[in-house]
Amino acid sequence: LAKTTQPISMDSYEGQEVNITCSHNNIATNDYITWYQQFPSQGPRFIIQGYKTKVTNEVASLFIPADRKSSTLSLPRVSLSDTAVYYCLVGGLNTGFQKLVFGTGTRLLVSP
Amino acid sequence: DTEVTQTPKHLVMGMTNKKSLKCEQHMGHRAMYWYKQKAKKPPELMFVYSYEKLSINESVPSRFSPECPNSSLLNLHLHALQPEDSALYLCASSHGAMRDFSYNEQFFGPGTRLTVL
Repeated sequence: LAKTTQPISMDSYEGQEVNITCSHNNIATNDYITWYQQFPSQGPRFIIQGYKTKVTNEVASLFIPADRKSSTLSLPRVSLSDTAVYYCLVGGLNTGFQKLVFGTGTRLLVSP
Repeated sequence: DTEVTQTPKHLVMGMTNKKSLKCEQHMGHRAMYWYKQKAKKPPELMFVYSYEKLSINESVPSRFSPECPNSSLLNLHLHALQPEDSALYLCASSHGAMRDFSYNEQFFGPGTRLTVL
């Protein structure tokens, strides 16, 4: 499984756009990139996933360059409630399930 | 219903006790997972069940014994635990079908906070 590297922490203010970059130099051809969010004492929650180029949903955007060795999670106009740990994961499918290996994650603190 | 439930929410046990953690989902998912998370650390995969069969055991000590009685239910039996086993135990489920990757999004429960004295 490809190892991921993220900043340990980031600070932002309400209303700003936050970009969290993840490095995954050893990503394999059949690997997807997935981001999860976790609040204290709760289970992680799926945010977004992608394979290449750009993916957007109602919560975030995921930018993946052509070489796929990195990816950037973009959170538009963050609020206080976006304070959480964000995990970048890289992996492919196994038969019927996916093995997730969480890296250290990025602790995002949003201030007023 | 897109919810994974876990009981109990909190559990305190002695090193000689036997207890069980329970996880339930009614989304028709066929893959279920146990993770362990220590404070300020990422979740670590322990076990994966696919179609009620144990598919992955990440070299977990035998004092942790998983069980999948049916497609909706996942248990984790605990016996002779150590204080260092104190952690948040998370259960997750995913669709489990080899289809569109998005079907394998994992839905996590709120976890059981376990303290071993």
